Amino acid sequence: GAGVSQTPSNKVTEKGKYVELRCDPISGHTALYWYRQSLGQGPEFLIYFQGTGAADDSGLPNDRFFAVRPEGSVSTLKIQRTERGDSAVYLCASSLESGGARETQYFGPGTRLLVL
Amino acid sequence: AQRVTQPEKLLSVFKGAPVELKCNYSYSGSPELFWYVQYSRQRLQLLLRHISRESIKGFTADLNKGETSFHLKKPFAQEEDSAMYYCALLPVGSQSGGYQKVTFGTGTKLQVIP
Repeated sequence: GAGVSQTPSNKVTEKGKYVELRCDPISGHTALYWYRQSLGQGPEFLIYFQGTGAADDSGLPNDRFFAVRPEGSVSTLKIQRTERGDSAVYLCASSLESGGARETQYFGPGTRLLVL
Repeated sequence: AQRVTQPEKLLSVFKGAPVELKCNYSYSGSPELFWYVQYSRQRLQLLLRHISRESIKGFTADLNKGETSFHLKKPFAQEEDSAMYYCALLPVGSQSGGYQKVTFGTGTKLQVIP
């Protein structure tokens, strides 16, 4: 079946601009996660949704970052006033239930964001 | 706070040689440990978790609480094992409750030389 999909695959923007990154989880998966992976680093947790609500957003680095999941399926990560340090691969993952991170997370291919 | 350390950025071995990818962690409670793998041009995927005590693609990993390690091992490396490997920790039993965030190490690139 279809896995987690993310669009766009690549995004180049200028410093100060606004970007939106989209994640389509596996159908039926209620849990959705966003991670950021900087060059040479492992994935770093940003936010976790259970259904429509953000159950844990403690990983968001600052108030320029925001994410929504209005219908409990597709999620959008929004970054305002982008900075060069935001350049990274943004990964989305989903899991079947709300068993927390014990559930196997299925990752998308990521969106590579480059802020010039 | 928990921490995962993968000391090697790159590990090169010859085909047929044994492989050991090192992972050390720091966490005061009882963690769950995972290994994730990312093959070239593919997405990150779970390889194995310690609670399953399983062997996947010939790889095994044993949680050593005394040494706080979770090294990934394979007796005979294959070319198709070349990939990025990430060790990850879930802080089960955290007093903070709620969702427990998975912490990833920085990864080790395994290169199997033909």
